[in-house]
Amino acid sequence: GENVEQHPSTLSVQEGDSAVIKCTYSDSASNYFPWYKQELGKRPQLIIDIRSNVGEKKDQRIAVTLNKTAKHFSLHITETQPEDSAVYFCAAHLNTGFQKLVFGTGTRLL
Amino acid sequence: EAQVTQNPRYLITVTGKKLTVTCSQNMNHEYMSWYRQDPGLGLRQIYYSMNVEVTDKGDVPEGYKVSRKEKRNFPLILESPSPNQTSLYFCASSLQGVVSPLHFGNGTRLTVT
Repeated sequence: GENVEQHPSTLSVQEGDSAVIKCTYSDSASNYFPWYKQELGKRPQLIIDIRSNVGEKKDQRIAVTLNKTAKHFSLHITETQPEDSAVYFCAAHLNTGFQKLVFGTGTRLL
Repeated sequence: EAQVTQNPRYLITVTGKKLTVTCSQNMNHEYMSWYRQDPGLGLRQIYYSMNVEVTDKGDVPEGYKVSRKEKRNFPLILESPSPNQTSLYFCASSLQGVVSPLHFGNGTRLTVT
């Protein structure tokens, strides 16, 4: 089955700096990679996603890149602000016909 | 307001006492799913449903049951809870499976003693 590894587990940055969170996946058939943000005590919310036919996607200060050859994808946050403090989860969907989404273990951004 | 509603928010129970956590969505979504969140393990999928009367196992289905008798409701049933099921549970729904945005409920924190 699919396995998703996420690093680092904790990331501390100064306001205004950039933050990068990286995930690797095991199955080359995975085709959809969302990122969810979970603020303290709240529900996860989708912030950006990318499909396997795209290499990069941006939405204001957030961007995601996908390297299919290396089987990794990354979340980039520029000009970080206090409201970016949260736990970020990456996930991967294996295109087998099953509706399974495998999440990484999360990164706490401080 | 479009939302996924879970109840209860907090639940403390004892080993072996059957319980049900309810989940309801008002967005006419086809897909509904349950996840559990544990420290250091992220979110793990328990069960999911793509339509009424259609359910399938996720990665950690042992000890859980679900049913989808109506499109809007997807209850999670623990027939005989055990302490290792102490966790934070989230229900989620989406329009077309996991490749469309998941809308999560507020979560249910379950403690089994």
